[in-house]
Amino acid sequence: SAVISQKPSRDICQRGTSLTIQCQVDSQVTMMFWYRQQPGQSLTLIATANQGSEATYESGFVIDKFPISRPNLTFSTLTVSNMSPEDSSIYLCSVAEGGRYYEQYFGPGTRLTVT
Amino acid sequence: SQQGEEDPQALSIQEGENATMNCSYKTSINNLQWYRQNSGRGLVHLILIRSNEREKHSGRLRVTLDTSKKSSSLLITASRAADTASYFCATDATGSNYKLTFGKGTLLTVNP
Repeated sequence: SAVISQKPSRDICQRGTSLTIQCQVDSQVTMMFWYRQQPGQSLTLIATANQGSEATYESGFVIDKFPISRPNLTFSTLTVSNMSPEDSSIYLCSVAEGGRYYEQYFGPGTRLTVT
Repeated sequence: SQQGEEDPQALSIQEGENATMNCSYKTSINNLQWYRQNSGRGLVHLILIRSNEREKHSGRLRVTLDTSKKSSSLLITASRAADTASYFCATDATGSNYKLTFGKGTLLTVNP
């Protein structure tokens, strides 16, 4: 399976600022996903990011708050904009490889704390 | 709302015992996957079972799927302290375009 890395691994940010999280994969993948995991909760899908097209956002998530880039088949970024303490979460990217789009593999996550 | 619901929410056992976690879901699915998460880190993919399969094994893991009851179970045999983690089921619902919906998870603690 693909090896996925995320940067930063954790960060503490001030309210009102923005943070960009990077997701790097060691092989080309078609589908990438971004998830949020709020403290003590399960994972919620934010958006699907496919190369060459606009990200598709789930209900409750909007592009202005969580802009996503997918410039190539190995890289994606998620920005958390105008942060508030409610954005404190773990943000995870996942990938699905060609031919097995239903099987997702996750990065190590970015732990974000907003003060 | 979450598709999957795991029970129990928390499970504490002794090393060497078996651990069983259950997952229920609400709509028809293409497949169901189980993941492990250690201490708020990334998720590790454990096993995938397709909707036309009833049971699958991988090492000390055994997964069953009952589509008529919309439920699955994960059995970990001969548990180890290193199995201490949160376990999540995730479903790929029919027509969802490969989006996964996660259950709330079971926190398993294996005491040495």
